[in-house]
Amino acid sequence: AQTVTQSQPEMSVQEAETVTLSCTYDTSESDYYLFWYKQPPSRQMILVIRQEAYKQQNATENRFSVNFQKAAKSFSLKISDSQLGDAAMYFCAYRSEQGGSEKLVFGKGTKLTVNP
Amino acid sequence: GAGVSQSPSNKVTEKGKDVELRCDPISGHTALYWYRQRLGQGLEFLIYFQGNSAPDKSGLPSDRFSAERTGESVSTLTIQRTQQEDSAVYLCASSTYLNTEAFFGQGTRLTVV
Repeated sequence: AQTVTQSQPEMSVQEAETVTLSCTYDTSESDYYLFWYKQPPSRQMILVIRQEAYKQQNATENRFSVNFQKAAKSFSLKISDSQLGDAAMYFCAYRSEQGGSEKLVFGKGTKLTVNP
Repeated sequence: GAGVSQSPSNKVTEKGKDVELRCDPISGHTALYWYRQRLGQGLEFLIYFQGNSAPDKSGLPSDRFSAERTGESVSTLTIQRTQQEDSAVYLCASSTYLNTEAFFGQGTRLTVV
């Protein structure tokens, strides 16, 4: 079974600085998707960024980018120019592409605090 | 509606009672997921529906938990004989088969007293 590990329960960053959240996963599959979700206090899960395993190029969405290392099974999220609104729980997730098991598997999350 | 809708938003129930949680997915979304999130914890997979295929029930923690979905419409998660350990936020998400993004509802906060 696939597992996702986020080794940093909490992180903090100064406003306008850069922070990197870590995620590793375990799988024997070659095709899959990886995601970062943000969960603010409102509970609403919001997709931040996604990465297809077959793509070598790292995904980027405005201030958010990933460092995808397939061989190392690592998928870190970099937030540049951090803003107060970035404060939230961040969850890394894995989705299999094998038929019949497309469920999302989540890590335990990293709580990000942004200091003014 | 425009997004995934869950009801009720909050539910307080007495230990031993049955509860039913509802999820209305985005229209046209064939995949539907239920997750449980205990306070300060990550998302624990419960069950996954994909179209008319047999659901993946591998995450249901006990036989007190069950879920139904009719076609590609609403889903209900039922917890029988609730226990205090069932207190959590229950999140529902839906997606299309080809679209990898799962859209989440705002969850139902269940408190068992």
